[in-house]
Amino acid sequence: EAGVAQSPRYKIIEKRQSVAFWCNPISGHATLYWYQQILGQGPKLLIQFQNNGVVDDSQLPKDRFSAERLKGVDSTLKIQPAKLEDSAVYLCASSPLSGRANNEQFFGPGTRLTVL
Amino acid sequence: SQQGEEDPQALSIQEGENATMNCSYKTSINNLQWYRQNSGRGLVHLILIRSNEREKHSGRLRVTLDTSKKSSSLLITASRAADTASYFCATVLNYGQNFVFGPGTRLSVLP
Repeated sequence: EAGVAQSPRYKIIEKRQSVAFWCNPISGHATLYWYQQILGQGPKLLIQFQNNGVVDDSQLPKDRFSAERLKGVDSTLKIQPAKLEDSAVYLCASSPLSGRANNEQFFGPGTRLTVL
Repeated sequence: SQQGEEDPQALSIQEGENATMNCSYKTSINNLQWYRQNSGRGLVHLILIRSNEREKHSGRLRVTLDTSKKSSSLLITASRAADTASYFCATVLNYGQNFVFGPGTRLSVLP
């Protein structure tokens, strides 16, 4: 079974530039998550989709971050414009169903963003 | 503030020794999950323990949950150098939502 795919793996940009990350979840997984993981910390949930609807985006900085999941499959996360404090690893994860609490999450390898 | 807090922040042991990590949380949970993260990689699910369970085993892993103390522990027995990683607990508050990860324990197993 193919895992969660993310691209790019690394990205270096200057502050005020824009950047986009892509995630392809495991086939058939209804729920998709984007996390931000700052060095030395645990992942922080940015947004959760169930199919193509948003379940939780309470911690997404909506003035600069946006995400979409068209057709309930792939997802993109965008930052526009980027700030220095956005330097982090952006992790995508998927799980089979929301509404069932005993779901494990399957994580992709992450995209490491450096903002200069 | 974090729902889950792992303790210790870092742990260094010799190969063959046991490693114990603890996780404390603040509110009632549906279940608690432990994940491992190797350097530069995504997280990998290790084990899930439901709020009505007290102990679970998986290979060399043993997880306990004390809901009265709002705490969990992860024990890795007979550790190996390959167990070197960061370990995170994640508390699940409701039905599949509200995954909250702690800051993690960095485990180093020395050969």
